[in-house]
Amino acid sequence: GAVVSQHPSWVICKSGTSVKIECRSLDFQATTMFWYRQFPKQSLMLMATSNEGSKATYEQGVEKDKFLINHASLTLSTLTVTSAHPEDSSFYICSAKGGGWNEQFFGPGTRLTVL
Amino acid sequence: GNSVTQMEGPVTLSEEAFLTINCTYTATGYPSLFWYVQYPGEGLQLLLKATKADDKGSNKGFEATYRKETTSFHLEKGSVQVSDSAVYFCALRGYGQNFVFGPGTRLSVLP
Repeated sequence: GAVVSQHPSWVICKSGTSVKIECRSLDFQATTMFWYRQFPKQSLMLMATSNEGSKATYEQGVEKDKFLINHASLTLSTLTVTSAHPEDSSFYICSAKGGGWNEQFFGPGTRLTVL
Repeated sequence: GNSVTQMEGPVTLSEEAFLTINCTYTATGYPSLFWYVQYPGEGLQLLLKATKADDKGSNKGFEATYRKETTSFHLEKGSVQVSDSAVYFCALRGYGQNFVFGPGTRLSVLP
């Protein structure tokens, strides 16, 4: 089946620094990628949708200047959390759609802790 | 807007016990309904889905029936195994819309 990977699986950073999270579709071309955020014991909340080669579409309430999304190729999307603060600590999950499937395939998630 | 409510966990069962995880939803129109499972250290995997009222999704011994009259999509399995220990997410997606997920229910099955 289709596999989506994320890197890193967990990261700890200092407040004020930027962190980049990668999402890769390993065996298919992802025309659309999605970024979710999950707080403890809460739902996955969609942050943004990105189509390869175009700007991401952000959900209401998500700061686009803080969460920079780049979908430069059909197998890679990146989420950069700029000037991270402790309240940005969360579990970030990406998913990808493409390869002729109508289904989304999810990555394993990245746990971000900002000190 | 659309929303999904799941029973709070964690749910702890003995092996071979019967499992029910309740899921109810609020949506306009006729969404598709899904159950995803997340095993430790892995991504969400589609477990089963149903696209219209009275459809039954099934996979790996799990079943769920799309009940429009009660706006529910409860997940059931007749005999759970230790390997079923995971977090289960109920979700819906309206036509042309994005997923809306429930908060997840952690299941622990003891040998």
